[in-house]
Amino acid sequence: AQKITQTQPGMFVQEKEAVTLDCTYDTSDQSYGLFWYKQPSSGEMIFLIYQGSYDEQNATEGRYSLNFQKARKSANLVISASQLGDSAMYFCAMRERGYGGSQGNLIFGKGTKLSVKP
Amino acid sequence: KAGVTQTPRYLIKTRGQQVTLSCSPISGHRSVSWYQQTPGQGLQFLFEYFSETQRNKGNFPGRFSGRQFSNSRSEMNVSTLELGDSALYLCASSLVEDANTGELFFGEGSRLTVL
Repeated sequence: AQKITQTQPGMFVQEKEAVTLDCTYDTSDQSYGLFWYKQPSSGEMIFLIYQGSYDEQNATEGRYSLNFQKARKSANLVISASQLGDSAMYFCAMRERGYGGSQGNLIFGKGTKLSVKP
Repeated sequence: KAGVTQTPRYLIKTRGQQVTLSCSPISGHRSVSWYQQTPGQGLQFLFEYFSETQRNKGNFPGRFSGRQFSNSRSEMNVSTLELGDSALYLCASSLVEDANTGELFFGEGSRLTVL
């Protein structure tokens, strides 16, 4: 079973509008972290935002916010005031508890390709 | 400060050959992880190194190996290349202290094409 599900292969948004990228996850751990990364065509993965499983408030970083609904196991990314430079692939990822001193690896979803229209 | 540096950025190999990819983490970062990205399988974890020790390993065959040096630089090696090994190989580094926040800093990747 997939641990991270991103159901939107592609999304379009008008410049300056807000957009929500969906992410649901599956884990039996109580301690885990959820992340969103942006990957432009250059290939580099750019960290956007993090939400810990015990964090009670939704994480925010500038124009990015994470809508964390723990009971529903969803961690949607909201981008406000979209810009042309936001066009990229967006990946949701989860890190479960590591063992034996390891941090635990990231498990990525398949990604959503966001296109911002002028 | 300089980001994560991966070399080479692009390379082409033929089946049966072997390849070595290099990753220099951000100065002061002691943990280095490797990920493989393909259109079909997406992003998959390969391995993680800390203080020259492999701490975690993904579900890849033994043809995939890696190591970390005392200066935290890491290399990964793929032997007996197969067509399916064509991928973008991403390296990421992090401060151990950031384990809970989990912020991984990625390089731009090494794009391997196997013919």
